[in-house]
Amino acid sequence: AQSVTQLGSHVSVSEGALVLLRCNYSSSVPPYLFWYVQYPNQGLQLLLKYTTGATLVKGINGFEAEFKKSETSFHLTKPSAHMSDAAEYFCAVSGGTSYGKLTFGQGTILTVHP
Amino acid sequence: DAGVTQSPTHLIKTRGQQVTLRCSPISGHKSVSWYQQVLGQGPQFIFQYYEKEERGRGNFPDRFSARQFPNYSSELNVNALLLGDSALYLCASSFEGNTEAFFGQGTRLTVV
Repeated sequence: AQSVTQLGSHVSVSEGALVLLRCNYSSSVPPYLFWYVQYPNQGLQLLLKYTTGATLVKGINGFEAEFKKSETSFHLTKPSAHMSDAAEYFCAVSGGTSYGKLTFGQGTILTVHP
Repeated sequence: DAGVTQSPTHLIKTRGQQVTLRCSPISGHKSVSWYQQVLGQGPQFIFQYYEKEERGRGNFPDRFSARQFPNYSSELNVNALLLGDSALYLCASSFEGNTEAFFGQGTRLTVV
């Protein structure tokens, strides 16, 4: 079985500040890890993914995440927040016999203040 | 190229009724998955189909069923609707079942 825990259901930052959204996972097999963003009343858009190889993954819109196996973490960061980053962010895991099944965290709502 | 398309975008049903949601995957994608997203929560996996075969099923009652057609489009059916079935239903497609998933905009189902 796999699971994802996102620490902090709400994160608030000022425009230009560092964004850090935390994700810890549990998986009995090598995981594939994903971050998705969801804007109100819309579907999910993939920000970035880790499958194998380099543990620091760069995604769209200036976001990046680092896979740390020893800490079972995959935290999402962005050096400088923009107002357009305000949205809900979901961390997800898949792998093993359930490659096609994504298990999502509860989500973190990011608010960006001017 | 068109992305994943879902229809309808919104619908309202009465308790006890049945509903069918439709999904067209990205051209060339052979796998379709369905997720339920209740307000304030992350999406929950319902089904995955690959090459018209069910590959996985989440922890949902038998009232939920799905199928995939020869053109790889898919339908999700929910019978005997309950108030708790109110949610955003998301469809995702991928080239194969274990590659990157692309999501549609979802169908917002309200059960009254």
